[in-house]
Amino acid sequence: DFVMTQSPDSLAVSLGERATINCKSSQSILHSSNNKNYLAWYQQKPGQPPKLFIYWASTRESGVPDRFSGSGSGTDFTLTISSLQAEDVAVYYCQQYYSTPPSFGQGTRLEIK
Amino acid sequence: EVQLLESGGGLVQPGGSLRLSCAASGFTFSSYAMSWVRQAPGKGLEWVSAISGSGGSTYYAGSVQGRFTISRDNSKNTMSLQMNSLRAEDTAVYYCAKLTGFPNGWPNCWGQGTLVTVSS
Repeated sequence: DFVMTQSPDSLAVSLGERATINCKSSQSILHSSNNKNYLAWYQQKPGQPPKLFIYWASTRESGVPDRFSGSGSGTDFTLTISSLQAEDVAVYYCQQYYSTPPSFGQGTRLEIK
Repeated sequence: EVQLLESGGGLVQPGGSLRLSCAASGFTFSSYAMSWVRQAPGKGLEWVSAISGSGGSTYYAGSVQGRFTISRDNSKNTMSLQMNSLRAEDTAVYYCAKLTGFPNGWPNCWGQGTLVTVSS
């Protein structure tokens, strides 16, 4: 199975500053047939289900603010929030859908400093 | 608007069984694969099982293989998860999710979840 490892486990960033969350896959999730990275990012707030934010590693879901961006390829990926807002406080998960069963990272808790 | 509503959660003794259901609306149910994802209290997300739009293909996490069975009824726009031989470590909120594809799709819509507690 593919193991997804996020870093850090928790992160405190000042309002308006940049936040960076990393996600590493145990194997490449770049598919040679279409040159796409099979990676999604989710945001989860307390008491709520996860919400899809990014897929194909860098494509924002409709309605997601453009301060959120995804990057990376192969085994190493990053979720970046360019200017942290109070409403961005949440736990963020990466997930690979290259191989079954799909697998999630352990989550990164993002807080305000 | 896509809506997913889980039901069937509750308290069950170790070794017992429970059947979860997910009622879907707002999209052509039979055209989309569906999945169950769970989250133990205070923990991260764990994929449980998925089923193709036709219901002809399924897959399971190793932790539930042989104990859980996923199914769907496209005439009723419902998906189910039959959980047998339940263990304490199966305690979690179980989310129903709509997938973008099968087998290589991601969840793009989630229900609110239903809590399963396995305890004596």
